[in-house]
Amino acid sequence: KNEVEQSPQNLTAQEGEFITINCSYSVGISALHWLQQHPGGGIVSLFMLSSGKKKHGRLIATINIQEKHSSLHITASHPRDSAVYICAVRQGAQKLVFGQGTRLTINP
Amino acid sequence: DAGVTQSPTHLIKTRGQHVTLRCSPISGHKSVSWYQQVLGQGPQFIFQYYEKEERGRGNFPDRFSARQFPNYSSELNVNALLLGDSALYLCASSLQGPANTGELFFGEGSRLTVL
Repeated sequence: KNEVEQSPQNLTAQEGEFITINCSYSVGISALHWLQQHPGGGIVSLFMLSSGKKKHGRLIATINIQEKHSSLHITASHPRDSAVYICAVRQGAQKLVFGQGTRLTINP
Repeated sequence: DAGVTQSPTHLIKTRGQHVTLRCSPISGHKSVSWYQQVLGQGPQFIFQYYEKEERGRGNFPDRFSARQFPNYSSELNVNALLLGDSALYLCASSLQGPANTGELFFGEGSRLTVL
């Protein structure tokens, strides 16, 4: 069992739909990152969370430390949101452990 | 302002060769970390450097080594290349050191193909 599990692995939706991507982890963490990776390979950091909830534009990230679970929500999804979304947890000070990623496709 | 820059962007090597990948962090960032991403999988942590010292190492063989220079740029070296080393190698920099959980800024990666 991976230390970081994401679901779903693949998600296809229509433009405008509300999107939820889930991340569960089995280890103690000091922070959780949500990352976005486009086909070219470059990764953009969307959020870094250690508790509660953060919002940036149409993106919302939440974390429940007790349940070891985080969610990434996208409101009013758009085709440009199509990408791979990766959850990564920081163990201690150095090690970052990544989930397998969720491939999101938004159709117009 | 320049982001994290990596070079080369693409390269092809043959088994047994060695490779050097380079990373320049965002100006002012002293922490650099390296990750390997095999096609279809999430990245895996290789190394973290802070203030020119290795502060963390993932589960990779000794063929993998790295260093950080006084200007905080970094090199990742891989010796005796294997087919399985074919991957996207990502570098990330952060402002804060290993004692803090700073936001990460990633480069575009170096895509290595081993034939």
